[in-house]
Amino acid sequence: AQSVAQPEDQVNVAEGNPLTVKCTYSVSGNPYLFWYVQYPNRGLQFLLKYITGDNLVKGSYGFEAEFNKSQTSFHLKKPSALVSDSALYFCAVIQAGTALIFGKGTTLSVSS
Amino acid sequence: EADIYQTPRYLVIGTGKKITLECSQTMGHDKMYWYQQDPGMELHLIHYSYGVNSTEKGDLSSESTVSRIRTEHFPLTLESARPSHTSQYLCASSEYAGRDTEAFFGQGTRLTVV
Repeated sequence: AQSVAQPEDQVNVAEGNPLTVKCTYSVSGNPYLFWYVQYPNRGLQFLLKYITGDNLVKGSYGFEAEFNKSQTSFHLKKPSALVSDSALYFCAVIQAGTALIFGKGTTLSVSS
Repeated sequence: EADIYQTPRYLVIGTGKKITLECSQTMGHDKMYWYQQDPGMELHLIHYSYGVNSTEKGDLSSESTVSRIRTEHFPLTLESARPSHTSQYLCASSEYAGRDTEAFFGQGTRLTVV
């Protein structure tokens, strides 16, 4: 069965510093991987995806993620964090033709 | 903004009542999902659908039902609401043309059962 893990409940970073939010996955076959962000009292917003192709994918708001097949990871990164990036981030995986499954989420807190 | 709508946004209802949460999308997406999420917590898959007349159960499906009679509409029904059903319910849809794509989410329905 497919699964996704986000090992950190919370990530704290100072504004202007680089940030990384970690995600590892387990699927049979090729994974489809996604990152979403959720602000308080809102639905989820799509940030970026890896389907195939380049291992480094770029998404909205300056975020990017690196797919690493050997480590089964898909970490979210940003070179310079903003206070407005503070939110709840979810990694998600789908095994072709099945349902989208989410990690438990990581709260990102960016301090000024 | 994605064209996926959930109604109502907020609902307070008594224990034992039957309720239906509505979800509609205007994007012609084949796949649709329902998730349950407590505030700030993980999303749990309730039901999903590949298309018209297709429904599949997720991890939390035992106390609810769904139907998919039309592509754009995917309502979720709780036959007998309980306080444990108090949560946020998120609907999502995605295109599937031989390959899965990103899902778009509605704003959610916040349900309180008293």
